[in-house]
Amino acid sequence: SQQGEEDPQALSIQEGENATMNCSYKTSINNLQWYRQNSGRGLVHLILIRSNEREKHSGRLRVTLDTSKKSSSLLITASRAADTASYFCATDAWQGGKLIFGQGTELSVKP
Amino acid sequence: EAQVTQNPRYLITVTGKKLTVTCSQNMNHEYMSWYRQDPGLGLRQIYYSMNVEVTDKGDVPEGYKVSRKEKRNFPLILESPSPNQTSLYFCASSSRNEQFFGPGTRLTVL
Repeated sequence: SQQGEEDPQALSIQEGENATMNCSYKTSINNLQWYRQNSGRGLVHLILIRSNEREKHSGRLRVTLDTSKKSSSLLITASRAADTASYFCATDAWQGGKLIFGQGTELSVKP
Repeated sequence: EAQVTQNPRYLITVTGKKLTVTCSQNMNHEYMSWYRQDPGLGLRQIYYSMNVEVTDKGDVPEGYKVSRKEKRNFPLILESPSPNQTSLYFCASSSRNEQFFGPGTRLTVL
């Protein structure tokens, strides 16, 4: 069953703008991860935030986690055309490696 | 280079003809998993394995089999493929958190 739900399903912005994607989940988690997928290719891990963390940064990426609302957001600042991809959140309910993925947000960054 | 490899990358086959998609990782990961990705449905887990000889069903296991005889390999077997198994398949491995994905296998069953 799909736990994570991303919002919006699709997002189109201009280069240089910020892109914000949201993810909601249903059950308690150990951590939440964000992945990126270029069209038809394998997913690439971007960032992991643990359940006891509220915010995390990695380069132009900023992830927040609100466990009370069971939601997370991924912010990409100063977007580039190369950021065009699908972005997925995934939740890990236990430290066994099983992840449950959302359906993804398709981001298009226009030059 | 740390990686997950899958073969074949593309496969067109006919209904009922048994096939195997191989998956291999060189990171000594204990956990391996198979997903299928379909438009509008996202990634759905087919089977996973927590270690050698330990496998379990994911969310959509019907029509698939797996085996884990060695730590590095986790083949996906379709004994009698059907058109509804046409999909993009990904193998992944992980130690504890981050999952490393293979490049994908695009399967078409006619």
